Amino acid sequence: AQKITQTQPGMFVQEKEAVTLDCTYDTSDQSYGLFWYKQPSSGEMIFLIYQGSYDEQNATEGRYSLNFQKARKSANLVISASQLGDSAMYFCAMREFGDSSYKLIFGSGTRLLVRP
Amino acid sequence: ETGVTQTPRHLVMGMTNKKSLKCEQHLGHNAMYWYKQSAKKPLELMFVYSLEERVENNSVPSRFSPECPNSSHLFLHLHTLQPEDSALYLCASSPLGNMEYGYTFGSGTRLTVV
Repeated sequence: AQKITQTQPGMFVQEKEAVTLDCTYDTSDQSYGLFWYKQPSSGEMIFLIYQGSYDEQNATEGRYSLNFQKARKSANLVISASQLGDSAMYFCAMREFGDSSYKLIFGSGTRLLVRP
Repeated sequence: ETGVTQTPRHLVMGMTNKKSLKCEQHLGHNAMYWYKQSAKKPLELMFVYSLEERVENNSVPSRFSPECPNSSHLFLHLHTLQPEDSALYLCASSPLGNMEYGYTFGSGTRLTVV
């Protein structure tokens, strides 16, 4: 079974508007971390934001915020005031703290295109 | 400058060639990873090295052979590859013990097998 599910293969957003990228996850661990990465066409994966399973408040980093709903096992990324440079692939990932290999498990990604 | 450097950035090789991908980090991280990213597929974890020991090998064919001579360097040796091995190969590193820290990725090596 997939551990990270991103159901939106592609999304469009108008410049300066907000957009939400969906992510649901599956784990039996009580302690885990959720991450979002951005991958521009250059290929590099850029860390955006982190949410711990015990964090009571939603994480925010500048224009990025994470809408964490633990009971629903969702960790949606919200990008406010979209910019043309936000056009990229976005990946949701999870690390289970009970996994001694420290690996990140990634979803299939969402391609975001920002329209001028 | 990402902190994780991968070379070469692009590689074209024949199916009978032998080549190596190199990854280097000077961030003080002691875990390193190889991922394969094919078109329209999720990132696939290939190998995990923790304190220079391989701790995970995700059923990767033997034509891919990793090597971690020290905590700063990671190699992926390639031989007798297939066209379906064409992909972006990403290296990443992370510190052990700090589970809240994600990975720092390199820019990847785009491999084409002809």
